Amino acid sequence: GAVVSQHPSRVICKSGTSVKIECRSLDFQATTMFWYRQFPKQSLMLMATSNEGSKATYEQGVEKDKFLINHASLTLSTLTVTSAHPEDSSFYICSAGKRERGTDTQYFGPGTRLTVL
Amino acid sequence: KNEVEQSPQNLTAQEGEFITINCSYSVGISALHWLQQHPGGGIVSLFMLSSGKKKHGRLIATINIQEKHSSLHITASHPRDSAVYICAVTKVGGNQFYFGTGTSLTVIP
Repeated sequence: GAVVSQHPSRVICKSGTSVKIECRSLDFQATTMFWYRQFPKQSLMLMATSNEGSKATYEQGVEKDKFLINHASLTLSTLTVTSAHPEDSSFYICSAGKRERGTDTQYFGPGTRLTVL
Repeated sequence: KNEVEQSPQNLTAQEGEFITINCSYSVGISALHWLQQHPGGGIVSLFMLSSGKKKHGRLIATINIQEKHSSLHITASHPRDSAVYICAVTKVGGNQFYFGTGTSLTVIP
């Protein structure tokens, strides 16, 4: 299989604090991991692409100093929301890239619901 | 205009009905993916297609490369099929997903 875990599944924090979300590929190595944000009843919005051992590539409009991404190993990427504010409340989903039968696909984590009070 | 278009946006069906969700795209692709997102938020990969047709249980996915169109069919629909179905493509030479807007399916008992 291709299983991706995400932790925590749900977090509530006070405004101004930082929150770290972990994304792990459990049974395969992922050179590339993706971080998405999803607002209610909307599609996934790509925030950044992270490659193991190098700096993440952020999409236009995503603040790299606010959303810190670290891809320390082939099975772990972390997203840290720094100095979180209520407008950062959202559903964050990661995915891990895998090449299958010559084609790139992604396997998604279960998501993290962040609520900033 | 979005590079990946899905229809319908919302769909309500009676249990047992045959369901079709359509996806059209306007770019060259290496693969098309059908994803399922349940109310809890988790996303499951249903199919990855680059040509032809695939079947898994009651789900069937087809793709017509010349017409840049794919369909996802659900036979004998069941309330547990209620979810958002998302079409996504990967472009030639890339690994990023480009998503359709999703189809919210509700199957009524």
